[in-house]
Amino acid sequence: DAKTTQPTSMDCAEGRAANLPCNHSTISGNEYVYWYRQIHSQGPQYIIHGLKNNETNEMASLIITEDRKSSTLILPHATLRDTAVYYCIVRVPNNAGNMLTFGGGTRLMVKP
Amino acid sequence: EAEVAQSPRYKITEKSQAVAFWCDPISGHATLYWYRQILGQGPELLVQFQDESVVDDSQLPKDRFSAERLKGVDSTLKIQPAELGDSAMYLCASSLKGQRGSTEAFFGQGTRLTVV
Repeated sequence: DAKTTQPTSMDCAEGRAANLPCNHSTISGNEYVYWYRQIHSQGPQYIIHGLKNNETNEMASLIITEDRKSSTLILPHATLRDTAVYYCIVRVPNNAGNMLTFGGGTRLMVKP
Repeated sequence: EAEVAQSPRYKITEKSQAVAFWCDPISGHATLYWYRQILGQGPELLVQFQDESVVDDSQLPKDRFSAERLKGVDSTLKIQPAELGDSAMYLCASSLKGQRGSTEAFFGQGTRLTVV
């Protein structure tokens, strides 16, 4: 699985958009970009994933650059409950399942 | 909404004792994972099951850790004997047998183990 690089921490004002970057310059053509987040003392929670097209769901938007070497997770209107560690993961599923390899993630602090 | 169930939520044990964690995945999920998360770090995979078979246990310290999923449904992770360095959050996750990249993993709340 390709390695990812994320900032260690970020702050965001409540109600503003939170833009979380991720670099994955060694991503291969069949690897997807996944985002998970982990709120304090809970298990990780799936947010969104994509291959090459931008994706949007009820939680967030995922913007993937044309060369696929980086991506940005966008939380359009951050709330205090979005304070969490956000993990960017790139992977190709193996034959038997979908193992996730977590890095250090970005600790997002949403402030009033 | 279906959830991955884990118990206990918290466990304190003395070093050299045995400890076990239980996980019940979402119904119908063939793939089950056990992860360990040390405070301040991301989760690390310990073992992955596909139905009742282990498909990856390369990071499982087999001298003291064991995992089973006898009927391909719920699973138990055991540590014997526990060491101080085993203090961590133990997370269970499950997913449907994968389509190409399309299936996300669902995590339980975890078991926080403290070895004293």
